[in-house]
Amino acid sequence: EIVMTQSPGTLSVSPGETATVSCRASQSISRNLAWYQQKPGQAPRLLIYGASTRATGIPARFSGSGSGTEFTLTINSLQSEDFAVYFCHQYNNWSYTFGQGTKLEIK
Amino acid sequence: QVQLQESGPRLVKPSETLSLTCTVSGFSIRSGHYWGWIRQSPGRGLEWIASMYHSGSTHYNPSLQSRVTILVDTPKNQVSLKLTSVTAADTAVYFCARDTAGVRGLDVWGKGTTVIVSA
Repeated sequence: EIVMTQSPGTLSVSPGETATVSCRASQSISRNLAWYQQKPGQAPRLLIYGASTRATGIPARFSGSGSGTEFTLTINSLQSEDFAVYFCHQYNNWSYTFGQGTKLEIK
Repeated sequence: QVQLQESGPRLVKPSETLSLTCTVSGFSIRSGHYWGWIRQSPGRGLEWIASMYHSGSTHYNPSLQSRVTILVDTPKNQVSLKLTSVTAADTAVYFCARDTAGVRGLDVWGKGTTVIVSA
């Protein structure tokens, strides 16, 4: 099983600033990584796939980078609606796994 | 647009079988893509359960494979999940999702349904 490790667990950032979330895979997953945003009581929403491609309708302030085992989600100019939990997800093989989540909270 | 809606019993007794249905609207399952189930609990986080293509190709999480069956009903445009011999550890929110199988990840999700395993 490929283990996905996210850091930090909680991130406190002020509106208007930049948030950076990291995700590490226990083995290479090429660029087969997605990022999701989840708000309380809601389903995860796809933000990024292929490590760096924004999903339909996702604002340009969201960006992803990385390949192999190290990946980053960056959110620029944080808006109030961006404070949520973020998950990474590897789909490199038919045993999908997720990171444990990073809670982005208002500082 | 594509919408998914999960349904099924909220409460299941230990050792019994959990059965859920996902109804897809705005997209014909027969048109393509895999369709999957994922669950989320405070203790286990997000856990992929299984995915299935309309033609029958199926993939299961190895840790759950012995207890899981996923089926696609193309005339009804539904995906079902059965999980046998449940325990309290199976208590979770269960989501269905469209699985693009390595292209765009899980790109559309249902709102999820809570299942509690308790006597």
